[in-house]
Amino acid sequence: LAKTTQPISMDSYEGQEVNITCSHNNIATNDYITWYQQFPSQGPRFIIQGYKTKVTNEVASLFIPADRKSSTLSLPRVSLSDTAVYYCLAIGQNFVFGPGTRLSVLP
Amino acid sequence: DTEVTQTPKHLVMGMTNKKSLKCEQHMGHRAMYWYKQKAKKPPELMFVYSYEKLSINESVPSRFSPECPNSSLLNLHLHALQPEDSALYLCASSQVAGNTEAFFGQGTRLTVV
Repeated sequence: LAKTTQPISMDSYEGQEVNITCSHNNIATNDYITWYQQFPSQGPRFIIQGYKTKVTNEVASLFIPADRKSSTLSLPRVSLSDTAVYYCLAIGQNFVFGPGTRLSVLP
Repeated sequence: DTEVTQTPKHLVMGMTNKKSLKCEQHMGHRAMYWYKQKAKKPPELMFVYSYEKLSINESVPSRFSPECPNSSLLNLHLHALQPEDSALYLCASSQVAGNTEAFFGQGTRLTVV
């Protein structure tokens, strides 16, 4: 299983763009990169997934360089409600969560 | 319907009790998962069912016993638990095992006294 490494925590202010980078040096050829968001006492919620280059949806963008050894989740214009833990997963066969990044959005 | 429903939402049980957690999905998913999550820690994978067969058991103690009666239901039977088993238990499902989008339930908050 590919091991992922993310910053433990990040602070931002409302209206700013937030970029969270995840390292997955030993990612396998078949692994997709997927990001989840989790609020306290709730189950994780899927945000975005990608294999390479750039993926964008209504919530976020995901940037994956050609070597696929890292990825960056970009959250445009965050609000207080984006305060949560964000998990990066390099998924081959199953969903194994790393420690995640605790994002705090300040007013 | 993109929902995974878990019952009960909260459960308090004694160390000699037997109880069960229930998880249900109607999305036609053929992979279902149980996770355990302690406070301020990531979800920890316990079991994976694929096409109603147990495919992964992450060395979980036998006091946790999973069951998949059909493709929509997943149970977790609990017996002789310890206080350190108190946690949020999460169920998830995906189209097939390893598929990249999993849907999670809200969890059952379990307290063992």
